[in-house]
Amino acid sequence: DQQVKQNSPSLSVQEGRISILNCDYTNSMFDYFLWYKKYPAEGPTFLISISSIKDKNEDGRFTVFLNKSAKHLSLHIVPSQPGDSAVYFCAASGVGNYGGSQGNLIFGKGTKLSVKP
Amino acid sequence: EAGVAQSPRYKIIEKRQSVAFWCNPISGHATLYWYQQILGQGPKLLIQFQNNGVVDDSQLPKDRFSAERLKGVDSTLKIQPAKLEDSAVYLCASSHGTGASWVRAFFGQGTRLTVV
Repeated sequence: DQQVKQNSPSLSVQEGRISILNCDYTNSMFDYFLWYKKYPAEGPTFLISISSIKDKNEDGRFTVFLNKSAKHLSLHIVPSQPGDSAVYFCAASGVGNYGGSQGNLIFGKGTKLSVKP
Repeated sequence: EAGVAQSPRYKIIEKRQSVAFWCNPISGHATLYWYQQILGQGPKLLIQFQNNGVVDDSQLPKDRFSAERLKGVDSTLKIQPAKLEDSAVYLCASSHGTGASWVRAFFGQGTRLTVV
């Protein structure tokens, strides 16, 4: 029973264009969502997050959109750069009684982004 | 600020052997996590500590896995005996604590375990 789903295992984008990575979740009690970026042989690094009380959060080239009614979030990278090539993980957490421990991050399987020069 | 330190980086053992991983979290971080990441999957929580107490170990295979957090700082994760399906990257992470914006976890580089 996968509570966080990233249905696209991979995405290829041309440098300078927009990258859109998608994530769906099933547990309506999740109230905090994060995106992590992972390079080979390294641990995941935090990229951007959004609280469920917002529908958009922006940080430089990265924007996360949250659609609570659809239980869907997306990460937009504009413009995409070759250094953005990595695996991107969507993660969700809850601070209340959502069926998991407080602070426990539940991850999707990841989407491998390749940005072509 | 020093990051989360893990050792060793790589380990190859035979099945039925035992192995231990070590983690030193970011100073001042009350919450420490051990995640298991199998190839092609996202990280899956094994155990979560708040200071030196266990918050969640519901997904830890307790017949073979054990973990402790000494004095609320360093932590060790042990597997005994190892099985082939334990081959994975073991990630340690830490965060300030619980609560909405405090769940941002910082990850170490991980230990890649290969069981042959």
